[in-house]
Amino acid sequence: DTGVSQDPRHKITKRGQNVTFRCDPISEHNRLYWYRQTLGQGPEFLTYFQNEAQLEKSRLLSDRFSAERPKGSFSTLEIQRTEQGDSAMYLCASSFLDGRAGSDTQYFGPGTRLTVL
Amino acid sequence: AQTVTQSQPEMSVQEAETVTLSCTYDTSESDYYLFWYKQPPSRQMILVIRQEAYKQQNATENRFSVNFQKAAKSFSLKISDSQLGDAAMYFCAYRPLGNTPLVFGKGTRLSVIA
Repeated sequence: DTGVSQDPRHKITKRGQNVTFRCDPISEHNRLYWYRQTLGQGPEFLTYFQNEAQLEKSRLLSDRFSAERPKGSFSTLEIQRTEQGDSAMYLCASSFLDGRAGSDTQYFGPGTRLTVL
Repeated sequence: AQTVTQSQPEMSVQEAETVTLSCTYDTSESDYYLFWYKQPPSRQMILVIRQEAYKQQNATENRFSVNFQKAAKSFSLKISDSQLGDAAMYFCAYRPLGNTPLVFGKGTRLSVIA
């Protein structure tokens, strides 16, 4: 079990460019979550998947953001037309739900730090 | 909306001493989960301890224990025999039953002094 991995670890881009991040969850985990963490704050929920289905999206996820999990394994998060306000750490977490709703524990990846110039 | 408040932005503790980090939350739910996560500098967030609200017994994991006061909506973390490796940001998180996103507090930065 290698844990949750994210790629890239750091991304610097210019305003208006598109960026894509990848998350590989722990094997066999059926749930995958994306959070955003800005400096001095705790992580804020963006969206989550159960297998390949995107089940919930936060109001923080504007229409410039899109996430996919095409085969129920890895996930990508794309930000189009980046803005300086998108600068943050983007965290991925995964879990395995087997039983009581809400009982699954989320395990986090190292994050992708995005800087928009 | 549920909220989590960590009123101590920074704390420090001498090595081998005990420290308590505070967390309060606001919810109208009766069943939920509470977590403490640790985020070392430039490293990933890891789970420290977890508490189910329906369990009255406080959770314990080695040197880490919680004081869960459901009526007061309080969930503090006690770290005993503090070690240099305990230095990190600590986040308290809440999750209602049947819902999936974690709601985090703003965190407490813990420094351990040798």
